[in-house]
Amino acid sequence: QSVLTQPPSVSGAPNQSVTISCIGGPSNIGAGFDVHWYQHFPGAAPRLLMYGFTYRHSGVSDRFSGSQSTTSASLAITGLQADDEADYYCQSYDSRLNAVIFGGGTKLTVL
Amino acid sequence: QITLKESGPTLVRPTQTLTLTCSISGFSLSTRGMNVGWIRQPPGKPLEWVALIDWDSSERFSPSLQNRVRITRDTSKNQVLLTLANVSPQDTGTYFCARRNGHFQRFDFWGPGVLVSVSS
Repeated sequence: QSVLTQPPSVSGAPNQSVTISCIGGPSNIGAGFDVHWYQHFPGAAPRLLMYGFTYRHSGVSDRFSGSQSTTSASLAITGLQADDEADYYCQSYDSRLNAVIFGGGTKLTVL
Repeated sequence: QITLKESGPTLVRPTQTLTLTCSISGFSLSTRGMNVGWIRQPPGKPLEWVALIDWDSSERFSPSLQNRVRITRDTSKNQVLLTLANVSPQDTGTYFCARRNGHFQRFDFWGPGVLVSVSS
């Protein structure tokens, strides 16, 4: 079970918006460690989308955005497109575990 | 252009030691703030961090693997090596190496991954 909790799946129709949550705790997000988001197509390399909660990596569409709260983070995708269908992972650091941590991943389905 | 590429055996027998190589170009392993990590993904499971080596050769390991894993680097060859001892079928998966940028500590460039199967 991952220290960072993500919904297993989310879905939305083309052109709609979805939000993926990443819930942490006091030893990771709550302790001030940054959250990053990755897009992963099966069989390919994960791709950095967002870093430091809200910063978009080079070349990433502005349809992707990130936000933070005390012990959680969220990734929002607007104007859903068929090629957004992928797995999405949040990542941070945990001071209690002294480890880099990933969320359990969220599978996005574009209906 | 920054690239990373993993290489190593595709099949390893249980109890053997797995050695994987990450070949890097476009940046230096000695540049302050630049680290290289290994992340794996067992079939049907999420990404799992394995190990990290910092620009100053500091090593960090996943708590669940620290008794079996080692990470080293060869700056002359621009390579980072991962060794995992006493492998079992639970170590089967795709292994990725990735650059961790010291600014915000994010994994900003990844290799394509190498699929390793542990089976007798």
